[in-house]
Amino acid sequence: AQSVTQLDSQVPVFEEAPVELRCNYSSSVSVYLFWYVQYPNQGLQLLLKYLSGSTLVKGINGFEAEFNKSQTSFHLRKPSVHISDTAEYFCAVSDPQGAQKLVFGQGTRLTINP
Amino acid sequence: DVKVTQSSRYLVKRTGEKVFLECVQDMDHENMFWYRQDPGLGLRLIYFSYDVKMKEKGDIPEGYSVSREKKERFSLILESASTNQTSMYLCASSSEGTDTQYFGPGTRLTVL
Repeated sequence: AQSVTQLDSQVPVFEEAPVELRCNYSSSVSVYLFWYVQYPNQGLQLLLKYLSGSTLVKGINGFEAEFNKSQTSFHLRKPSVHISDTAEYFCAVSDPQGAQKLVFGQGTRLTINP
Repeated sequence: DVKVTQSSRYLVKRTGEKVFLECVQDMDHENMFWYRQDPGLGLRLIYFSYDVKMKEKGDIPEGYSVSREKKERFSLILESASTNQTSMYLCASSSEGTDTQYFGPGTRLTVL
């Protein structure tokens, strides 16, 4: 079975500061990895995904993530955040051979302070 | 753009009532999913469907059922609502062979 752990439930940062949201996964098979963002009162929107190839993945809104197989991690980063990045961020995994189901982490609430 | 719509943004029901949550997608996607979202628990899969009239249990199916009579519509049914089913419910869809799921805006259900 697969599982995802997001190590921080809340991350407060100041505007224009860098941020890293941490995600670790557990799986006995190879995985696909995703980051989704949920802005207030909205559904989830895909930020980026890793399926194969380059371990550094670039997404929308200036976010990027790095797949590290040895550390089973997929941390999300942005070099300079904006007030509009205030949202909840979810890491998720799926089994490439499986049923296209996603297993989500607990979520990290990112708060940007002016 | 893919659009996934859910019938209500907010819903208040009483314990024991039968509750229907409707989800419609307009991109001819084969796969549809129902999740519930609770603080500190992330999203948990209730049921999913790969095709019309097909359904499979997710991780927390107890107390729920689903119906998929048409490809674009996937309904979640609470046969007898209970207070522990107060939650945010999110519907998603995806195309066969792809892994990106598209989400609706969610329905916040309160059971009193």
